[in-house]
Amino acid sequence: GQQVMQIPQYQHVQEGEDFTTYCNSSTTLSNIQWYKQRPGGHPVFLIQLVKSGEVKKQKRLTFQFGEAKKNSSLHITATQTTDVGTYFCAGLGGSNYKLTFGKGTLLTVNP
Amino acid sequence: DGGITQSPKYLFRKEGQNVTLSCEQNLNHDAMYWYRQDPGQGLRLIYYSQIVNDFQKGDIAEGYSVSREKKESFPLTVTSAQKNPTAFYLCASSIEGADGNTEAFFGQGTRLTVV
Repeated sequence: GQQVMQIPQYQHVQEGEDFTTYCNSSTTLSNIQWYKQRPGGHPVFLIQLVKSGEVKKQKRLTFQFGEAKKNSSLHITATQTTDVGTYFCAGLGGSNYKLTFGKGTLLTVNP
Repeated sequence: DGGITQSPKYLFRKEGQNVTLSCEQNLNHDAMYWYRQDPGQGLRLIYYSQIVNDFQKGDIAEGYSVSREKKESFPLTVTSAQKNPTAFYLCASSIEGADGNTEAFFGQGTRLTVV
């Protein structure tokens, strides 16, 4: 079945350093979505990528979708303490509405 | 306000008892999901439903049951067959928008503790 792997599981950075989390699916995806979950909260949608090779930016965040639509990455430039949380990728299956999440990357930022 | 509501926020049950978690949405979304979150495990899919009166098993459906009799409601029952039911349960819903966006909206979650 569809599996979504995400690495690293944890990342601790100094404020101002960059951060990247990577996501890989066992199957080709219809789209990939990224979510952020703050401690004690619920996941909140950040963005969706649909097209092969797509790149989208949101201020300091850059999202990429691989050419084969099986991998993706999220890169944060110059992290801030407000970036703290767990970042999840989620892949939508090709023929159904099955939305499978990766295990997430917990980002902590030292001020 | 439009949104997705889970209740209760905290739930305690004795081992061996079935318990039903509520999830209601007034977003007119077709798809609904139940996930379980454990530390270090991310969100694992229990069941999902694309449309009323239809639902599919996710990756960890054993010991759980659902129903989708109404578009707005997708209750999850944690049965006594679930060997390790203590967890944080998240419900979500989504719809494919005109722009192709399939963003999932999450409820606040229910933290279930079985003693």
